[in-house]
Amino acid sequence: AQKITQTQPGMFVQEKEAVTLDCTYDTSDPSYGLFWYKQPSSGEMIFLIYQGSYDQQNATEGRYSLNFQKARKSANLVISASQLGDSAMYFCAMREGQRSGGSNYKLTFGKGTLLTVNP
Amino acid sequence: NAGVTQTPKFRILKIGQSMTLQCTQDMNHNYMYWYRQDPGMGLKLIYYSVGAGITDKGEVPNGYNVSRSTTEDFPLRLELAAPSQTSVYFCASSYRGGAQHFGDGTRLSIL
Repeated sequence: AQKITQTQPGMFVQEKEAVTLDCTYDTSDPSYGLFWYKQPSSGEMIFLIYQGSYDQQNATEGRYSLNFQKARKSANLVISASQLGDSAMYFCAMREGQRSGGSNYKLTFGKGTLLTVNP
Repeated sequence: NAGVTQTPKFRILKIGQSMTLQCTQDMNHNYMYWYRQDPGMGLKLIYYSVGAGITDKGEVPNGYNVSRSTTEDFPLRLELAAPSQTSVYFCASSYRGGAQHFGDGTRLSIL
């Protein structure tokens, strides 16, 4: 089973509107972290936001917020007031927590969602 | 503000050639990673390192080797390049389980 699932290959949004990008995850670790990265057409990977499994509140970073629903194992990215520069590929990733015998800080990535912001 | 620096940015190799992709970071991060990204896909972990002298395999290590002699540097070696290794390669670093900071990537074509 995939550990990170992004079901939307592509999304379109009008400039200035909000958009939600979906991410579901699968893990049996009680301690894990969820990350969102943005990859513009230029190719670099830009860290956007992080949510820890024990965090009580949803993470926010400027226009980005993470809608974390632990029981449903979902970590959707919400972008408010979309801008043309938000057009990019967005990746959800998970770091599973410490396991017996050592730490595990590797990230598992989803396949991404291509967001297009229309003027 | 260099962050994570990868060289070269682009490279074309012939089948069977070898090369080393360079990665260096100036953030004093102990964790470093190599990923590959195939067209239309997410990133897959090749190798990672939790500190100088310590490396371990990721999801897709075959055909690659790494070394970590210093905190700053984490080169990726391709031996006997094959067309299946055509990809974009990203190096990243982090402080333990925090956000990973990525280099700009190396576009590698094997012909």
